[in-house]
Amino acid sequence: DQQVKQNSPSLSVQEGRISILNCDYTNSMFDYFLWYKKYPAEGPTFLISISSIKDKNEDGRFTVFLNKSAKHLSLHIVPSQPGDSAVYFCAASAIYTGANSKLTFGKGITLSVRP
Amino acid sequence: NAGVTQTPKFQVLKTGQSMTLQCAQDMNHNSMYWYRQDPGMGLRLIYYSASEGTTDKGEVPNGYNVSRLNKREFSLRLESAAPSQTSVYFCASSGQGRLRGEAFFGQGTRLTVV
Repeated sequence: DQQVKQNSPSLSVQEGRISILNCDYTNSMFDYFLWYKKYPAEGPTFLISISSIKDKNEDGRFTVFLNKSAKHLSLHIVPSQPGDSAVYFCAASAIYTGANSKLTFGKGITLSVRP
Repeated sequence: NAGVTQTPKFQVLKTGQSMTLQCAQDMNHNSMYWYRQDPGMGLRLIYYSASEGTTDKGEVPNGYNVSRLNKREFSLRLESAAPSQTSVYFCASSGQGRLRGEAFFGQGTRLTVV
């Protein structure tokens, strides 16, 4: 039973255009959401996060939107660059966890940015 | 500043063999984690240690044991390896004062069980 779903396995966009990566969740106890980026042969790296008390968080070219009623979040990358080509994982955590990074991950989306 | 260091980077085991994956962090983080990544499955939490002296099961703990040796080190042991444990294993750590959920990951250990 997947609690964090990334239903599109891949996305290809042109350099300079917007990339929109989607994520859905089912567990109502989740109250904090994150995006991680992963290059081949490396560990994931933290990209951006959002608390459930907000509906938007922006950091440079990256913006995460949260729609709690729909249990949906999305990551927007504008403008997309070839260096953004990587696997992006959506992750979520619930406040009851004792460890602050006990995360539930989605399957990941492979983003390819074409020059 | 090395961050999170995992050893070994690659390992091939025969079914039934045992081994320990080592992880060390130099960021003075309280919490440490072991995840596994399988194709099409994302990352799944095996065990975690919220603080030195404590360990807890994650989503997929069967077949594994862990030891929080000290604040820096968190090892993962496979007592009797099975082909289903073929995976990429990631150790991670997180600490107070960071954003909630911001974990730092090692480069991974690619384990093949034949």
